[in-house]
Amino acid sequence: DQQVKQNSPSLSVQEGRISILNCDYTNSMFDYFLWYKKYPAEGPTFLISISSIKDKNEDGRFTVFLNKSAKHLSLHIVPSQPGDSAVYFCAASPYSGGGADGLTFGKGTHLIIQP
Amino acid sequence: KAGVTQTPRYLIKTRGQQVTLSCSPISGHRSVSWYQQTPGQGLQFLFEYFSETQRNKGNFPGRFSGRQFSNSRSEMNVSTLELGDSALYLCASSWDRISYEQYFGPGTRLTVT
Repeated sequence: DQQVKQNSPSLSVQEGRISILNCDYTNSMFDYFLWYKKYPAEGPTFLISISSIKDKNEDGRFTVFLNKSAKHLSLHIVPSQPGDSAVYFCAASPYSGGGADGLTFGKGTHLIIQP
Repeated sequence: KAGVTQTPRYLIKTRGQQVTLSCSPISGHRSVSWYQQTPGQGLQFLFEYFSETQRNKGNFPGRFSGRQFSNSRSEMNVSTLELGDSALYLCASSWDRISYEQYFGPGTRLTVT
C-alpha cells in the first residue's frame, strides 16, 4: 500500500506561470514533509520542507502548503522557469526530529516547463 | 566542497552474483543512507549508517547489507542477485542523524541479467 502518492506522473506548465505539484498521504502519523528535486543523472536535491504544526512554508519561488485534514500537500513554484524542469519527489516522515529511516517517498512527478 | 560520490556509476551483473557499491559522503557528514529507486516502487529506504553503526533498515531481504567505515565512507552489498534488484541505488549523506537535508549522490545504475 502506497502511503505517499503523487498521482500525476508528469505535468507540463508554461514558463512564467505557476506550477502546482500535488501529494497525498494516508498515514496520519506523518509529522514532517519534504520535497526533493531530481535532474537526470543526478541524485535528488532537498528543496523545501514543512512540519505538521504549520500549514505553509515559503522559500523564494517555492511554497509548500499542508492540509492535514485532507492529508494533502502541494508545492507551488512561481514563476516557473526552464531550470525547474525536473522530477519532484514528495516525502513524509512520522519523525519531526529527523532520521532517514522514517522517510517514505512518492514515485515522483516529472515537471516540464514549456518556453 | 565536494559532493557525494558513488562508484561505480554503472554496473551489469548476472543473476546469482554479488555486488558491492561504494559511497563517499560529503566531508564532515557522519550519516549515510542508501535508497533503491525503481520505476514501479519509486524511492525506497534501504538502511542508514551513523558512526559505523547501522541505525535502521528498510523492508528489504537479508541479501542487502552494508557497512560504514571510520571515515564515514559506506559500502552496500547485495548477494545472490535477482532480476528484480535492477535499479538505481542512491546514497545520501547528512551531517547528523537529525537532519533531513540529505545530499544525494548521482547513484549507481545496477542491471541484473
